[in-house]
Amino acid sequence: EDQVTQSPEALRLQEGESSSLNCSYTVSGLRGLFWYRQDPGKGPEFLFTLYSAGEEKEKERLKATLTKKESFLHITAPKPEDSATYLCAVLDSNYQLIWGAGTKLIIKP
Amino acid sequence: GAGVSQSPSNKVTEKGKDVELRCDPISGHTALYWYRQRLGQGLEFLIYFQGNSAPDKSGLPSDRFSAERTGESVSTLTIQRTQQEDSAVYLCASSLTGLNTGELFFGEGSRLTVL
Repeated sequence: EDQVTQSPEALRLQEGESSSLNCSYTVSGLRGLFWYRQDPGKGPEFLFTLYSAGEEKEKERLKATLTKKESFLHITAPKPEDSATYLCAVLDSNYQLIWGAGTKLIIKP
Repeated sequence: GAGVSQSPSNKVTEKGKDVELRCDPISGHTALYWYRQRLGQGLEFLIYFQGNSAPDKSGLPSDRFSAERTGESVSTLTIQRTQQEDSAVYLCASSLTGLNTGELFFGEGSRLTVL
């Protein structure tokens, strides 16, 4: 069965303290892996699409990478405004989009 | 507005009542999705509309749930005889085409509380 697991469930960092969020997946035929950001009381906001192992995408302090089993969302020198829940989703061979439960990131000033 | 609009933003209802949730997608977006998000959990797929094709209803949890879409515009999700386990945020999203790019535009959701 296709599955997406995100870890950790929650991560507290000091402002400026770099770290990584993990998204591991088991799917039949990966068509794409997507990262979203969700602020409290809001819908998810698209960040990145990764299609193949080795691919990387960057946006401001965020960089997403992809291997055959997992993706990492690296956050460099985070600021309090980066606090949010980060969601990972994978598109399988049947065009089903499967979502992880998210990692809640808290950046303390 | 330029984004996906959902109403109501909050709905409190009594067990057994019917509710209707509305979604207004971004103009020109052919694909529309409904998801359910329970507290602290990921998104649970409910239904997908793509143009004039038959909708993918494979995620609807029971026959109490139904959804309609008028052409490529407004969609309504209806939950009949609501139960407490239906309490969740119902998110609507639209995209220009299908899922290939994974870039869905979400509304802010309708928070449903069933007492």
